[in-house]
Amino acid sequence: GQNIDQPTEMTATEGAIVQINCTYQTSGFNGLFWYQQHAGEAPTFLSYNVLDGLEEKGRFSSFLSRSKGYSYLLLKELQMKDSASYLCAVLGSNYQLIWGAGTKLIIKP
Amino acid sequence: TAGITQAPTSQILAAGRSMTLRCTQDMRHNAMYWYRQDLGLGLRLIHYSNTAGTTGKGEVPDGYSVSRANTDDFPLTLASAVPSQTSVYFCASSDSKDYTDTQYFGPGTRLTVL
Repeated sequence: GQNIDQPTEMTATEGAIVQINCTYQTSGFNGLFWYQQHAGEAPTFLSYNVLDGLEEKGRFSSFLSRSKGYSYLLLKELQMKDSASYLCAVLGSNYQLIWGAGTKLIIKP
Repeated sequence: TAGITQAPTSQILAAGRSMTLRCTQDMRHNAMYWYRQDLGLGLRLIHYSNTAGTTGKGEVPDGYSVSRANTDDFPLTLASAVPSQTSVYFCASSDSKDYTDTQYFGPGTRLTVL
């Protein structure tokens, strides 16, 4: 079957760095996405990886290893507004997104 | 630009009643999607449309139907609602000319079936 795993919840301190991991087993791979979702709001696009390596975008970076079926989202200089759920999703062989359940990130002052 | 709009924002519906959730996008994206999001689960695809005039079934299509008469609108209909359809429903769209196929989401409709 197809599966996306990510931790249910993480806690971090304002100003610190946090890494949110995502492992996947899918039939086919056409890219991996990270989305941010604040409580009660729609998911918004953060990053896309299709090749191995690190993609940096400001305070956020995303890493992919296709051979290991593994990705992480790295958030630096955490701010209170980063408190949200972070969703990992893989674009499978049929070009439909398979979604993880999301990681709820709690930022403490 | 408005992006994607959904209506209504929330609704309480009696079991057995029908309802149509509306979704409109102004980005001229060719592909559109309907998802449901339930606590502890990832987003699950209900139906999708790759282009106007075509639709397809996703992971959880039973009890739902869609139509795509034009590029902008993609309504989702519940013919006879059941309590298990209580969920938050998100509409999304993507542009196949965008090689990443990034999906953009509407604000969601919170539906409660009693």
